[in-house]
Amino acid sequence: DQQVKQNSPSLSVQEGRISILNCDYTNSMFDYFLWYKKYPAEGPTFLISISSIKDKNEDGRFTVFLNKSAKHLSLHIVPSQPGDSAVYFCAASGYSSASKIIFGSGTRLSIRP
Amino acid sequence: NAGVTQTPKFQVLKTGQSMTLQCAQDMNHNSMYWYRQDPGMGLRLIYYSASEGTTDKGEVPNGYNVSRLNKREFSLRLESAAPSQTSVYFCASSEQAEETQYFGPGTRLLVL
Repeated sequence: DQQVKQNSPSLSVQEGRISILNCDYTNSMFDYFLWYKKYPAEGPTFLISISSIKDKNEDGRFTVFLNKSAKHLSLHIVPSQPGDSAVYFCAASGYSSASKIIFGSGTRLSIRP
Repeated sequence: NAGVTQTPKFQVLKTGQSMTLQCAQDMNHNSMYWYRQDPGMGLRLIYYSASEGTTDKGEVPNGYNVSRLNKREFSLRLESAAPSQTSVYFCASSEQAEETQYFGPGTRLLVL
């Protein structure tokens, strides 16, 4: 039973356009959400996070939106650049299990010229 | 400042063999983690160490043991490797248990 779901295994977006990656979760105890980016043959790197007390967090070209009622979050990348081509993992954790981050299965984003 | 380092980068084992995956961090972090990544499964937590001297099971601990050797090092041991343990293993660390985790480059393990 996946508690964090990324239903799109892959996404292709034209350079310069907006990339939107989606993530759904089932555990209402989650209160902290993260996005990690992973290039081939490298470990994941932290991208952006959001606490459940917020509904939006922005960092440069990256914005994460959280809809608690729908148990849904999304990552927006504007504008998309070739270096954004990577696998993006959504992750979630709860205060009661702060060490246990649950990861989604990832979405492979490809930015085409 | 190397961050999180893992050795080896790649290993092939025969079923039943044992091996230890090494992980070290130079960021003076208190918490360390071991994950495995399988196709279509994302990363799953095997074991973690919230602080030096403590270890706890994660989501998929069966077939593994860990040792938090000191604040810097956290090793993962496979006592009797099985083909189901073929995976990419990532070590991570964070300053405290609830904070952002920093990952190593991974160890690709193939069990025949």
